[in-house]
Amino acid sequence: QVQLVQSGAEVKKPGSSVKVSCKASGGTFSSYAISWVRQAPGQGLEWMGGIIPIFGTANYAQKFQGRVTITTDESTSTAYMELSSLRSEDTAVYYCAQTGDSAYWGQGTLVTVSS
Amino acid sequence: QPVLTQPPSASASLGASVTLTCTLSSGYSNYKVDWYQQRPGKGPRFVMRVGTGGIVGSKGDGIPDRFSVLGSGLNRYLTIKNIQEEDESDYHCGADHGSGSNFAWVFGGGTKLTVL
Repeated sequence: QVQLVQSGAEVKKPGSSVKVSCKASGGTFSSYAISWVRQAPGQGLEWMGGIIPIFGTANYAQKFQGRVTITTDESTSTAYMELSSLRSEDTAVYYCAQTGDSAYWGQGTLVTVSS
Repeated sequence: QPVLTQPPSASASLGASVTLTCTLSSGYSNYKVDWYQQRPGKGPRFVMRVGTGGIVGSKGDGIPDRFSVLGSGLNRYLTIKNIQEEDESDYHCGADHGSGSNFAWVFGGGTKLTVL
């Protein structure tokens, strides 16, 4: 049973950056895609980008190009998402998800951007 | 990339059946789609994957037999029979449209299911 455990809630100032982690256990980490998906209050799911750890190169949604960086550490089965130049519209719950034959989601991390 | 379209809302009475629809944009009729359930205040949960031949792989952990899928043309359907109170959720569909080492995902807008 795959489990994805994310880091805790963050409160950030506009213009700063946030880095969220996602630690996987119970499955194969390197061969399956890890994505980051966000959900603003009352809104739908929005894919930000993804990476297949064994290949190592992340692919980003055009909307977030230049502002988001997704990395993985295979030694600890952990994925990271860093979002820079934060603005109030980035306030959302951020999820990591691993997809392959099935799909597993982390519990979500609330990022609040407020001055 | 494909666009996935879902009606924003649906409703059904307790014990009845409901079918939710996710429509792929033209040219993507061979795409598989995942269905996700999101209960109020919770994260998404994988229900199952569907192609034109029906379910692909297995249902998600703990998904009851009341849930089934069908695929036809550009439409991917999720049917819930004998609806229970705990089925009241947002249902999202998503599709992988990446290739090779690049993974890319797109979601529909979600359907809010109300149990009457």
